[in-house]
Amino acid sequence: DGGITQSPKYLFRKEGQNVTLSCEQNLNHDAMYWYRQDPGQGLRLIYYSQIVNDFQKGDIAEGYSVSREKKESFPLTVTSAQKNPTAFYLCASSDRGGLNEKLFFGSGTQLSVL
Amino acid sequence: GDSVTQMEGPVTLSEEAFLTINCTYTATGYPSLFWYVQYPGEGLQLLLKATKADDKGSNKGFEATYRKETTSFHLEKGSVQVSDSAVYFCALLPLGNTGKLIFGQGTTLQVKP
Repeated sequence: DGGITQSPKYLFRKEGQNVTLSCEQNLNHDAMYWYRQDPGQGLRLIYYSQIVNDFQKGDIAEGYSVSREKKESFPLTVTSAQKNPTAFYLCASSDRGGLNEKLFFGSGTQLSVL
Repeated sequence: GDSVTQMEGPVTLSEEAFLTINCTYTATGYPSLFWYVQYPGEGLQLLLKATKADDKGSNKGFEATYRKETTSFHLEKGSVQVSDSAVYFCALLPLGNTGKLIFGQGTTLQVKP
C-alpha cells in the first residue's frame, strides 16, 4: 500500500541532544513537508521541499534542519537549539511539486523532553 | 497575512445531532479551502475541499460551502455518529501558492452515544 511512514512513533530527547525524525513516502510525490502541532493550536510549517536536493524554511524553522537527498525521504533533525521541542510532528507529501493541494499525512511522531 | 479562524472547542454532541463547525478566513483573491480530519493518534486526512466561490465540498455526509461574501467555509453534518469524534481543521491554500496550506487551530468534536 502506498503511503507515508513516520518513525519512531514516540521519541524522547535529552538536554543538549539532537534527534532525527524519519519520514519516508512511496507515493512518488515531489513535495514533502514537516509540520509541528501543539495542543489546541493548528499546524505550523517547519520546512518544505518541492524537489530533491532543495528545501525552504517554513514559518518556524529555527532550531530545526532537514535534508532531501532522495525523493522518498525527508528527515527532520531537532537540534539542541530548539528550546521547546515537545510537540507532535507531522510529515506530509503532495504531488506535482505542491501544486496539488491534497496533502497526504503520516501518523506522526510525538517528541518529548526528558 | 492570510489566516484561518475556527470556532473553539470542544464541541460535544449526542449521536444523530446536527453539527456545525464555523470557519472564517482572511486572504487576498480566491484561495482554495479545505477541511481536514484527525482521528486520535493519527495524521490528518483530507475530508473535503472547494476551489472557487459557491462551490460545495462534500464527503461522508459532511458538507461545506465556499462563501466569498462572508469569507466562510462552515462544516456541517446532518446526523453525527460516535465515529465522527475527531479534531477538524479548516485550511486554505492562497492563490498562486504551491502547497503551503494555512491551518486553523482545530476544533475537537466529541459525540456521545
